[in-house]
Amino acid sequence: AQSVTQLDSHVSVSEGTPVLLRCNYSSSYSPSLFWYVQHPNKGLQLLLKYTSAATLVKGINGFEAEFKKSETSFHLTKPSAHMSDAAEYFCVVSGPPEDTGRRALTFGSGTRLQVQP
Amino acid sequence: KAGVTQTPRYLIKTRGQQVTLSCSPISGHRSVSWYQQTPGQGLQFLFEYFSETQRNKGNFPGRFSGRQFSNSRSEMNVSTLELGDSALYLCASSYLQGGIGYTFGSGTRLTVV
Repeated sequence: AQSVTQLDSHVSVSEGTPVLLRCNYSSSYSPSLFWYVQHPNKGLQLLLKYTSAATLVKGINGFEAEFKKSETSFHLTKPSAHMSDAAEYFCVVSGPPEDTGRRALTFGSGTRLQVQP
Repeated sequence: KAGVTQTPRYLIKTRGQQVTLSCSPISGHRSVSWYQQTPGQGLQFLFEYFSETQRNKGNFPGRFSGRQFSNSRSEMNVSTLELGDSALYLCASSYLQGGIGYTFGSGTRLTVV
């Protein structure tokens, strides 16, 4: 089975300060990992994905994440928060595309990011 | 190019009724997946269709069903609606079956009263 745990339900930062959203995963195989963002009343937008290539993954809007197998973590970071980053962020794990039973996306419970002016 | 289109955006239904939601994937995408999002359960996988065949199914009762047409458009049906079915239903499309990097639509918000 695969699962993902987002360690913080809410994170509040000041504009211009770094962002760290924490995610741990559990998987019995080499997973694909994603971060998605959801703004109010909107769908999900893919920020970045890890698919067994480089462990440091760069995404859109200045976000990046590092895959650490030894720690089973995939934390999302951004050097400087912007007001427009306020949203809900989901860490997601998926199995191999060829594995019918595991390739559906399994979502974490989400982290709501607040950015204070 | 156009994104994933879900219709309608909002829907209000009465308990016991049935409802059909529609999803048009990105042109060329052949895989369509459906997810349910609720405050209590978060985002949960419903099912995936590829080339008009259901390839994967989540842990939902048989009241939830779907289909995919030859043009890759998909519909999801919920029969005998319950209050707990109130949710945001999201559709995602991908070029490959179980492909990496799904594109999500904006969702259909279903309210059951």
